[in-house]
Parts: sequence; C-alpha cells; structure tokens
Amino acid sequence: DQQVKQNSPSLSVQEGRISILNCDYTNSMFDYFLWYKKYPAEGPTFLISISSIKDKNEDGRFTVFLNKSAKHLSLHIVPSQPGDSAVYFCAAKSGGSNYKLTFGKGTLLTVNP
Amino acid sequence: DADVTQTPRNRITKTGKRIMLECSQTKGHDRMYWYRQDPGLGLRLIYYSFDVKDINKGEISDGYSVSRQAQAKFSLSLESAIPNQTALYFCATSSGTGTNQPQHFGDGTRLSIL
Repeated sequence: DQQVKQNSPSLSVQEGRISILNCDYTNSMFDYFLWYKKYPAEGPTFLISISSIKDKNEDGRFTVFLNKSAKHLSLHIVPSQPGDSAVYFCAAKSGGSNYKLTFGKGTLLTVNP
Repeated sequence: DADVTQTPRNRITKTGKRIMLECSQTKGHDRMYWYRQDPGLGLRLIYYSFDVKDINKGEISDGYSVSRQAQAKFSLSLESAIPNQTALYFCATSSGTGTNQPQHFGDGTRLSIL
C-alpha cells in the first residue's frame, strides 16, 4: 500500500514558466512533509518542507502548498530554470518522536531552454 | 568535502558474498539511516539508528544488518548477497534536536550482484 503517491512520472515545462509537482498521501498521521531534488549520480538534496499546521511555505522560487482535507501537497517552482531539471521526491513523516520518512516514487522534471 | 560520505560508490560482486557498505558523516548528527532505491521506486528504509549502538529495523530489513559503533559511522552489511539486492543504496543523517529535521543524504552506492 503506497502511502505517498506522485502520480506523474514526468513533467516537461519551458524555461521561465511555472512548474507544479503534485503529491497525494493517504496516512492522516503524517504531520511533516518534505520535497527533495535528485540529480543523476547524486543523493537526494533537501529542498523545502512544511508542517501540517501550515498550508504554505515559501523559499525563494520554491513554494510548497498543503491541503490537509484533500491530503494533497504541491511544489511550485517559479520561474523554472534548466538547472531545476531533476527528479523530485515527496516525503512524509508521521507524528511522534520517531523520525521515519515515507517517500513517493518521484517525478522527473525537465525544464527546456 | 561531502558531509555524508559513502564508500564504495560502486560495487559489483557475486551471489553469496558478504558485502559491507560504509557511511561516515561530519555533520555531528545523532541519527543515521540506510535506504535503498530501486528503478521507478521511491526510497525505502532498511535500518535506522538514533544513537551509538541503537539499531532499529525499517520496512525492508530482511537480509541486511547494520552496525553503529561511533556517532559518525553507520555501516550496512549484506551477509550473503542475492541478485534482488541489486539497487542504489543511500545513507542519510539528521539532527536529533527539535521535532522536524530534514534528512541529509550521501551520494549513494550502486551495488550490483551477479
């Protein structure tokens, strides 16, 4: 049973436009959500996170939105740049002191010049 | 210099061999994790440790063991490797301070078992 789902394996956008990556989850106990970016031959790099008590978190060109009632979060990248081309993973943590992440399968973002 | 270093970066070995993957970190983090990634799948947790000699099973621990003898080091062993353990393995660390701390990953070890 996949608790964190990224239903789009890939996404292609033009440079300068907005990229929107989506993530759905099923476990209502998740209280902290993260986005990671991964380039080939490198490990995932932490990008941005959001606590379940918020509905938006912004860091420069990156904004994460959380809709708890829909169990949905999204990552917006504005404006998109070719260097943003990577695989993006959504991850979630359930409440409590235990810190275990559940990852989605990832979405390959390609930003075309 | 990388904060989380994994060795080796690539390894090809044969079925039945014992293999050890090493992870060391200079971030001073208490918590360390081992994940594997298979093609088209997300990362899955194998083992994790919140302190020296603290060991906890993740969702796919069968066939693996780990050792945490020092804060900075966390090793993963495959006692008798089998082909379906061919995967990309990642080590990660996180701070034990505060409730929500992101995990920081090494660059991975690509393991092939023939």
